[in-house]
Amino acid sequence: GAVVSQHPSRVICKSGTSVKIECRSLDFQATTMFWYRQFPKQSLMLMATSNEGSKATYEQGVEKDKFLINHASLTLSTLTVTSAHPEDSSFYICSARDIPGLAGWETQYFGPGTRLLVL
Amino acid sequence: RKEVEQDPGPFNVPEGATVAFNCTYSNSASQSFFWYRQDCRKEPKLLMSVYSSGNEDGRFTAQLNRASQYISLLIRDSKLSDSATYLCVVKSMIYNQGGKLIFGQGTELSVKP
Repeated sequence: GAVVSQHPSRVICKSGTSVKIECRSLDFQATTMFWYRQFPKQSLMLMATSNEGSKATYEQGVEKDKFLINHASLTLSTLTVTSAHPEDSSFYICSARDIPGLAGWETQYFGPGTRLLVL
Repeated sequence: RKEVEQDPGPFNVPEGATVAFNCTYSNSASQSFFWYRQDCRKEPKLLMSVYSSGNEDGRFTAQLNRASQYISLLIRDSKLSDSATYLCVVKSMIYNQGGKLIFGQGTELSVKP
């Protein structure tokens, strides 16, 4: 089946530094990728939707200047958390949606997530 | 009000028990419905889609009531391996952008020997 990878799987950084997370669709082309954040005991919250070659669409309350998203190719999207602070510590999960097949269905595949801890 | 609301957990049940999860959604224009399973510190994985006529996959049965905007998941003969958090997910369509998945907060299930 389709696979989505994320790198790194976990990262610990100092407050004020920037962290880049990569999301790759390994065996399919993803015109659309999604970035989610999940705090402990809470649900996945959509942060932004990114389409290849265009600017990301951010959900209400998500700062676009703090969470930079680049979707430069059909298989790669990156999320950069700029000037990270302890409150940004969370589980970041990307998801990639493939191109609809002949039946018109499209499927969304999730990456394994990245745990960010900001000290 | 949250777009997708689920039963508060956790549910602690013995092996072999039948357990039901409920979910309601607020957007009547929602198009597709799913149940996902999420194990501790892992990404969510699709358990099953939910169809208007109801559908079954082994020990799992999903029901949808569009009029009441209500979704359910029934697990029969629960196994230890069913212990996880179950997420109710609704797909809302966005004009010219396809759909986006909206997740409920999840219900934790713990199956005990």
